[in-house]
Amino acid sequence: GDSVTQMEGPVTLSEEAFLTINCTYTATGYPSLFWYVQYPGEGLQLLLKATKADDKGSNKGFEATYRKETTSFHLEKGSVQVSDSAVYFCALSDLQGAQKLVFGQGTRLTINP
Amino acid sequence: DTAVSQTPKYLVTQMGNDKSIKCEQNLGHDTMYWYKQDSKKFLKIMFSYNNKELIINETVPNRFSPKSPDKAHLNLHINSLELGDSAVYFCASRALGRHNEQFFGPGTRLTVL
Repeated sequence: GDSVTQMEGPVTLSEEAFLTINCTYTATGYPSLFWYVQYPGEGLQLLLKATKADDKGSNKGFEATYRKETTSFHLEKGSVQVSDSAVYFCALSDLQGAQKLVFGQGTRLTINP
Repeated sequence: DTAVSQTPKYLVTQMGNDKSIKCEQNLGHDTMYWYKQDSKKFLKIMFSYNNKELIINETVPNRFSPKSPDKAHLNLHINSLELGDSAVYFCASRALGRHNEQFFGPGTRLTVL
């Protein structure tokens, strides 16, 4: 079945550092890809998405490019802030039937001032 | 004017009890979901309804029974609660269309003692 693998956390960075969170996927077709963010004590919010190969999703300074050849969707940000501290989830939507989301295991990010 | 709301936010109960969690969305979406997030933050689909019809039922014990009285509501009833049911349960909804993202509720933290 479809699956998503994210880099192991937790990740701790200093403010203004460069961030990369790796995400790779396995899917039978061409899924849509998403990054969701979960701030402490809250639900999941969509951060960005990409729906086809070579699409780049971007939001709030975060970017991720849908790479079909490497089946990857790595999340990047050039300069992180303390307010970016959260758990980040990579996910794919299988585009079949109800289009359920299949999530990676989540990466906890802590940014120190 | 919360888009996806859940009640209650916290639920503490004894083993063997029966409890319900309610979800409502005011986005006009046709498809709704229940996800379970375990203590390690891993998220997994449980159920999905499209316009009041069950379309996904992952390998969830029969003690869990979703009910959708109309397309804006998807409730989750759990019988004979067990310790392992302790988790955060998220409701989500999505508009029809191949690449649309899911919108999540704030979650219900269930603790079974």
